[in-house]
Amino acid sequence: QITLKESGPTLVEPTRTLTLTCTFSGFSLNNSGVGVAWIRQPPGKALQWLALIYWDDDKRYSPSFNNRLTITGDTSRNQVVLTMTNMDPVDTATYFCVHSHTTIAFAIDHWGQGTLVTVSS
Amino acid sequence: QSVLTQPPSVSAAPGQRVTISCSGTSSNIGSNYVSWYQQVPGTAPKLIIHDNNRRPSGIPDRFSGSKSGTSATLAITGLQTGDEADYYCGSWDSSLNPFYVFGSGTTVTVV
Repeated sequence: QITLKESGPTLVEPTRTLTLTCTFSGFSLNNSGVGVAWIRQPPGKALQWLALIYWDDDKRYSPSFNNRLTITGDTSRNQVVLTMTNMDPVDTATYFCVHSHTTIAFAIDHWGQGTLVTVSS
Repeated sequence: QSVLTQPPSVSAAPGQRVTISCSGTSSNIGSNYVSWYQQVPGTAPKLIIHDNNRRPSGIPDRFSGSKSGTSATLAITGLQTGDEADYYCGSWDSSLNPFYVFGSGTTVTVV
């Protein structure tokens, strides 16, 4: 059974850096074909894909975030970390950690519960 | 603003059929698989269609997907009150550095 859980601050000040940790179980990040990604959803708005790390440590980022994102994986701890620099109130959103796999063309088949991050001074 | 375009809302009576369109470009839907997600407000989304028209285990066959050119469609037949939710399409975009894109979302209301 695959589970993912997000953790990190619920409140971030503008201009600061956000660090979110995804702790997962039921799979290993170094299993061939696996991907772990981050997606966010501002209140009342649509889903926004942020970044993905593949089993071979290859990474993909949304071009909409102007190099503000970094995704890293720790296979020994079963964790994936996302950092987002220069936070702004428009970055207030629920952030989801998700599992993806090549057998489903890297669609998203498992989602964490999400964590709400508010950007405010 | 979302890369893929969906109608904001659709509605129908119980038992009826609804369709949701998802419009993209040659770099995303036109050259990659489409997936569909169902999100009940306050909960995480759930995958209901992948690879254009494949249902994950446990998804009823009332849900079906199709793709033609740079557009995709989700159809829900035998509409039930439990189908009230937001629906999102998604696809990879085959740019120089590929990334995943979502649709703008469609709210399905059972009237």
